[in-house]
Amino acid sequence: GQNIDQPTEMTATEGAIVQINCTYQTSGFNGLFWYQQHAGEAPTFLSYNVLDGLEEKGRFSSFLSRSKGYSYLLLKELQMKDSASYLCAVPNNYGQNFVFGPGTRLSVLP
Amino acid sequence: DGGITQSPKYLFRKEGQNVTLSCEQNLNHDAMYWYRQDPGQGLRLIYYSQIVNDFQKGDIAEGYSVSREKKESFPLTVTSAQKNPTAFYLCASKRTSGRSPYNEQFFGPGTRLTVL
Repeated sequence: GQNIDQPTEMTATEGAIVQINCTYQTSGFNGLFWYQQHAGEAPTFLSYNVLDGLEEKGRFSSFLSRSKGYSYLLLKELQMKDSASYLCAVPNNYGQNFVFGPGTRLSVLP
Repeated sequence: DGGITQSPKYLFRKEGQNVTLSCEQNLNHDAMYWYRQDPGQGLRLIYYSQIVNDFQKGDIAEGYSVSREKKESFPLTVTSAQKNPTAFYLCASKRTSGRSPYNEQFFGPGTRLTVL
């Protein structure tokens, strides 16, 4: 089966850098997704990693280490609008469905 | 514009009543999903469907039912057997063909159900 763990809450200051970690245990690995979810809204796709290393997309980067069962999302130049929950998810059953982590609620303070 | 719609945004029902949540997509996606989200928690899978007229139970299917008569539509019924139905319900869809089988899911805006 799958098990995914993330810190529950994090706080950071506007303009700073924050790293949100995700550890996972899976019976087979088919990549890892990161989603952003603002309170009361739908999650939106941020990134997908299937190979080891860092993938950069503007202010957001995502890192994967398959041997360690570990990923992180790096947010640079934090803005107030980045206050949201960040969910990591892994595909299951050959991509038929997904298992989501509990999410990390990030608060960006002025 | 293509997307996923869920209606209504907020829904109130009395205990013991069945209620059906609507989910429609015009993205031409084959796969559709229903998730439940409780305050401060992640998403838990209720049901999913890879093709029309076929669906599978997720991790928390008890007390829920679905149908998939059309590709565009995947309604969820919350029955009176669901012991704690008050939650935020999210519908999602995903392309199953193309470059990668591991395509991202697209989510609707959600329905917040409150059972009184």
